[in-house]
Amino acid sequence: EIVMTQSPATLSVSPGERATLSCRASQSVSSNLAWYQQKPGQAPRLLIYGASTRATGIPARFSGSGSGTEFTLTISSLQSEDFAVYYCQQYNNWPRITFGQGTRLEIK
Amino acid sequence: QVQLVESGGGLVKPGGSLRLSCAASGFTFSDYYMSWIRQAPGKGLEWVSYISSSGSTIYYADSVKGRFTISRDNAKNSLYLQMNSLRAEDTAVYYCARRWELLDYWGQGTLVTVSS
Repeated sequence: EIVMTQSPATLSVSPGERATLSCRASQSVSSNLAWYQQKPGQAPRLLIYGASTRATGIPARFSGSGSGTEFTLTISSLQSEDFAVYYCQQYNNWPRITFGQGTRLEIK
Repeated sequence: QVQLVESGGGLVKPGGSLRLSCAASGFTFSDYYMSWIRQAPGKGLEWVSYISSSGSTIYYADSVKGRFTISRDNAKNSLYLQMNSLRAEDTAVYYCARRWELLDYWGQGTLVTVSS
């Protein structure tokens, strides 16, 4: 099983600032990586797939990068609605997908 | 617009059974793989199972293999998860999601609580 490790567990950032979230895979997943956002009481929402492609309707302030084992989600200028939990997920290892444990992005 | 609506959750005793349903609309259901994902209270996301568009290919997480059965009825645009021999550690919100690799649409989830 591919283990996905996210860091930090909690990130405190002020509105308007940049947030950088990290995700590491225990073995290469190529670019088969997705990012999700989850707000309290809601289902996760797909943000990024293919490591760097924004999903439909996702604002340009969200960007993804990386390949292999190291990935980054960057939110360029945090808005109030961006404070949430973010999960990375690999889909390279057919048939079993795995998620990271999540990074909580909170208001500083 | 794409909609996925889960139902069937509730409180069940250890060893009991439940059947979850997911009603799909807004897309051609029979064209897509479908998945079940769960989230224990206060915890992260765990893949449970998925099924191919025709139903011919099915996979399960090791944690549920032999106890859970995924199925679909393309005529009814519905996805199902039959859960038997339930354990306390199966307590979670269960989400259905479209596709297997990148989960592009999710339902709102249904809560399953396994407790005596």
